[in-house]
Amino acid sequence: DAGITQSPRHKVTETGTPVTLRCHQTENHRYMYWYRQDPGHGLRLIHYSYGVKDTDKGEVSDGYSVSRSKTEDFLLTLESATSSQTSVYFCAISEAGEDYNEQFFGPGTRLTVL
Amino acid sequence: AQKITQTQPGMFVQEKEAVTLDCTYDTSDPSYGLFWYKQPSSGEMIFLIYQGSYDQQNATEGRYSLNFQKARKSANLVISASQLGDSAMYFCAMRERMDSSYKLIFGSGTRLLVRP
Repeated sequence: DAGITQSPRHKVTETGTPVTLRCHQTENHRYMYWYRQDPGHGLRLIHYSYGVKDTDKGEVSDGYSVSRSKTEDFLLTLESATSSQTSVYFCAISEAGEDYNEQFFGPGTRLTVL
Repeated sequence: AQKITQTQPGMFVQEKEAVTLDCTYDTSDPSYGLFWYKQPSSGEMIFLIYQGSYDQQNATEGRYSLNFQKARKSANLVISASQLGDSAMYFCAMRERMDSSYKLIFGSGTRLLVRP
């Protein structure tokens, strides 16, 4: 199994509070991704990173920011959590761009915003 | 417009029988990849199989095969000899080019239940 961990695995927070989710990899892969999973939507890309300090937005980036100061860590921050951000969040990594044939996923973080 | 469509929200199959999970896609990029992932009740995403748009043969991985029909833009997953442990959500995904990388676009999934 690819070495990807996410922390915390579960979190309950209140509307308006800041939340940071961490993704840590031991594979030295260049690309890292944050997805959210909601019923009926599959997984949707929030933000991604193609290198240290290189990040860009995905399709559902509003209300989220990311940072990548080291190859192994990719942080997802909800500056002011809302109930619509209650979801399961997955981090993923991949080795290369066009030729990759697999994205490895972390175990997920279940976030509840009350 | 949806780029990945899975029209079967839920399916049943008898143990030891084969089952086909449907997936259609839409893209104008001549180079793309198609993936299937399994998500059991424990929640992790497990990679099953990959098909590249230029691959001449259908991909196979053990009991999993991908019925790739390029002209029809379909990439159906076939599971042979179903087992109880195959009960899970199954997601079809397509690799799409972004400015600096590639992303996966997921379908909404099919829940498969294997009956003993």
